[in-house]
Amino acid sequence: KNQVEQSPQSLIILEGKNCTLQCNYTVSPFSNLRWYKQDTGRGPVSLTIMTFSENTKSNGRYTATLDADTKQSSLHITASQLSDSASYICVVRGVGRAGKSTFGDGTTLTVKP
Amino acid sequence: GAVVSQHPSWVICKSGTSVKIECRSLDFQATTMFWYRQFPKQSLMLMATSNEGSKATYEQGVEKDKFLINHASLTLSTLTVTSAHPEDSSFYICSARGQSGGEMDTEAFFGQGTRLTVV
Repeated sequence: KNQVEQSPQSLIILEGKNCTLQCNYTVSPFSNLRWYKQDTGRGPVSLTIMTFSENTKSNGRYTATLDADTKQSSLHITASQLSDSASYICVVRGVGRAGKSTFGDGTTLTVKP
Repeated sequence: GAVVSQHPSWVICKSGTSVKIECRSLDFQATTMFWYRQFPKQSLMLMATSNEGSKATYEQGVEKDKFLINHASLTLSTLTVTSAHPEDSSFYICSARGQSGGEMDTEAFFGQGTRLTVV
């Protein structure tokens, strides 16, 4: 069964600090891996999208890495802000137009002043 | 960037009534739309996949007669929760996949979500 596992489940950091969220997956072959930010009560917002051939993708203070050999991805957040408090979801999509997306359970990040 | 609009953002209805949720792709043609349900502190759970002009494909355990999905155009899909009960109360989210290349083709865009409360 294809799985996407995220760690840690939750994380608390101080404002201004950096943090790294992990995503391990077994989906194979896969089309792309996406990281989303979901604020409470809102729909997910795309942060990065990477295909299997990409190793890193940045979006402002967010940098995602991908190692397709070990099936691992990480999302690094630099200089955290209070507004970064949210759930971060890793999603891996299988190959082809009919490829399904498998969602991780998310990491809940809390940034404290 | 591409925008997916979901309406309403929240709705309260009486038990036994039906509720319709709309999902629109505002600046691209969505050949496929996905409907998800999310419980508190849990990830999104795919309910069904709808392709424009054809019947929706429901995930195992999702009642198609209770959750009616219509995808009549390339920019609009609707989810109707029929004869709603309190256990249907949840956060419903749609996403859209386009037919062109690039990001539009990777189901990157979600609606804002609809909070349904059945009393």
